Amino acid sequence: SQTIHQWPATLVQPVGSPLSLECTVEGTSNPNLYWYRQAAGRGLQLLFYSVGIGQISSEVPQNLSASRPQDRQFILSSKKLLLSDSGFYLCAWSVQGGGNTIYFGEGSWLTVV
Amino acid sequence: AQSVTQLDSQVPVFEEAPVELRCNYSSSVSVYLFWYVQYPNQGLQLLLKYLSGSTLVKGINGFEAEFNKSQTSFHLRKPSVHISDTAEYFCAVSETSNYQLIWGAGTKLIIKP
Repeated sequence: SQTIHQWPATLVQPVGSPLSLECTVEGTSNPNLYWYRQAAGRGLQLLFYSVGIGQISSEVPQNLSASRPQDRQFILSSKKLLLSDSGFYLCAWSVQGGGNTIYFGEGSWLTVV
Repeated sequence: AQSVTQLDSQVPVFEEAPVELRCNYSSSVSVYLFWYVQYPNQGLQLLLKYLSGSTLVKGINGFEAEFNKSQTSFHLRKPSVHISDTAEYFCAVSETSNYQLIWGAGTKLIIKP
């Protein structure tokens, strides 16, 4: 069966510090990969999606970036965090051509102080 | 799909009472429809989905939803709720030709003892 893991689960970072959130999927090949954010009291916002290694599409302009160095690895990064980057970050995957069902990781709480 | 509207931001209901969470979407083409549940501080879990076939879809934890094409709705129902159903519920829609999901803002289900 397929599994998805993301880490760290929680982190507190000072303004201006870098960020790296990692996500891996097991049990499938060539998945679509996604990074979402939930700000407090708000819905889901798609940040990035990827249909293959090195193929990243950004949905919103911001100081975050994403990379896909391997088929089942997706990384969310920032060089300098802003207070507004605080939120709950969710990695997700779907089967290409599989009816668009998305499966989510456990989430990562980021607090920028 | 152009938009998804979850008509209620919060729904309070007594334990063992029935509940309906409403979801309407706007789209002029064929769609896939989803309901996800998010328990506090966790990722989203797929409750049920409609891809094709029977318009009445049964999911996990006793939930079901009915796709109504003429009313462009996909309301979620449960005949008797339990305290463990306390969570936020998200409706999502995608066009069958597009892997992107459009998300509703979420509905918090509050179970009163």
